[in-house]
Formats: sequence, structure tokens, C-alpha cells
Amino acid sequence: EVQLVESGGGLVQPGGSLRLSCAASGFTVSSNYMSWVRQAPGKGLEWVSVIYSGGSTYYADSVKGRFTISRDNPKNTLYLQMNSLRAEDTAVYYCARDRWLFWYFDLWGRGTLVTVSS
Amino acid sequence: QSALTQPPSASGSPGQSVTISCTGISSDVGDYNYVSWYQQHPGKAPKLMIYEVSKRPSGVPDRFSGSKSGNTASLTVSGLQAEDEADYYCSSYAGSLVFGGGTKLTVL
Repeated sequence: EVQLVESGGGLVQPGGSLRLSCAASGFTVSSNYMSWVRQAPGKGLEWVSVIYSGGSTYYADSVKGRFTISRDNPKNTLYLQMNSLRAEDTAVYYCARDRWLFWYFDLWGRGTLVTVSS
Repeated sequence: QSALTQPPSASGSPGQSVTISCTGISSDVGDYNYVSWYQQHPGKAPKLMIYEVSKRPSGVPDRFSGSKSGNTASLTVSGLQAEDEADYYCSSYAGSLVFGGGTKLTVL
């Protein structure tokens, strides 16, 4: 079955770190353009980061310098390392697949909740 | 990059048609045909409904259609059904990806 499963969310204090994982099955992460998209409680969607099939990475201004996207090809898993977390980073984080870099996501995970609070 | 502008709410009766707009600027919606629409039910992940302005993924009913004119994209839902009640988000490429603020569609 083709699917994405996120994990790693939880409660973290401001200034803390967290690493999210997104395990893929049924397709190869490294052959696609993989993004993280987040949604604050009761709010809309916000694109966070993308890793190209060639390995290039890009970030939204709101997380640049604090978040790092990466992948483990043998494990077929996408990651998001989040450092210097702020209250405004509280959100459900989704990983999503873009097959052609046409900037649409045909496959989404169910999301993992990150709560930044003291 | 600013978010795209969507009306916060829209509604229609079963069987009617509803159109949701998504307004950007020339450097996003106006310049690129990378406009997509997503449906999101409460507590669920978004689902792709329209991509590249007007294309429908396999499995999406043809009651859903997309279009674009200038800096405004639109999603039309024809023959409204109860299960269409959800939040709808547009997105567009603009150097990076930007989303609209979302529209809550209510089926009366």
C-alpha cells in the first residue's frame, strides 16, 4: 500500500528540539519531491520545507535556520529536525509527496502533533 | 510571500453549485499554472481535488472543477452533496508554495 506515516511529535518546551519522521511505503522517497506542511490548531495550511529528488533543500522564511529536512534512503524515510522551537511552531505536521515538482501533493500522511509550551 | 485570499465561508443546498475563489497576485496565481485545491474534513489530512488549475486526480468526482482568470483561481462544486461539506484550500507556486487561508463549505 502506498502511504506515509509520520511520528515523533509531542510536547516540547520553547527553545527545545524535536525530530519528526515520515516513513514511506509503496514508493521511493528519494525519487520524489517530499515536503513538510504544517497546520496550527484551527488555522490553515502552511508549507514548511521541501527536499528535491536530487537532494536540494528549501525552507519557508518562518523556519529557515531552525529546521532541517533530510531523508534516509535505505530506510525510505523523510525527517524534519526542528531546533529552537517557538510557541508559534505548534501545529500538526504533515509530510506530503510531489511527484513531478509541479507543486501539488497527491499523497499525505495523517500528521503528527507538535506542541511547544512550557 | 503572502497567503492567497479565499472567502472564509461558502454554502449551498444539496444539488446546487458553489464556487470558491482564490485570489493572488501576478507573481503567483497569475504567473503560474501550478494552482491546486485540497479538501480537508475535520481531523483528517488534506486530499488533492484539483491540480495544475483544472486537472482532476483519478477518483475525484467530475462534480469538482477548477479554472483560473488572471490572478484569481476558482473551484466549482456542482451537484452539492452532504459529503462535500469540508474545508477547502487553494495553493500556488510563487517561488515557494503558498496556501490560501481556507474556505469552510457548508451544505445546507
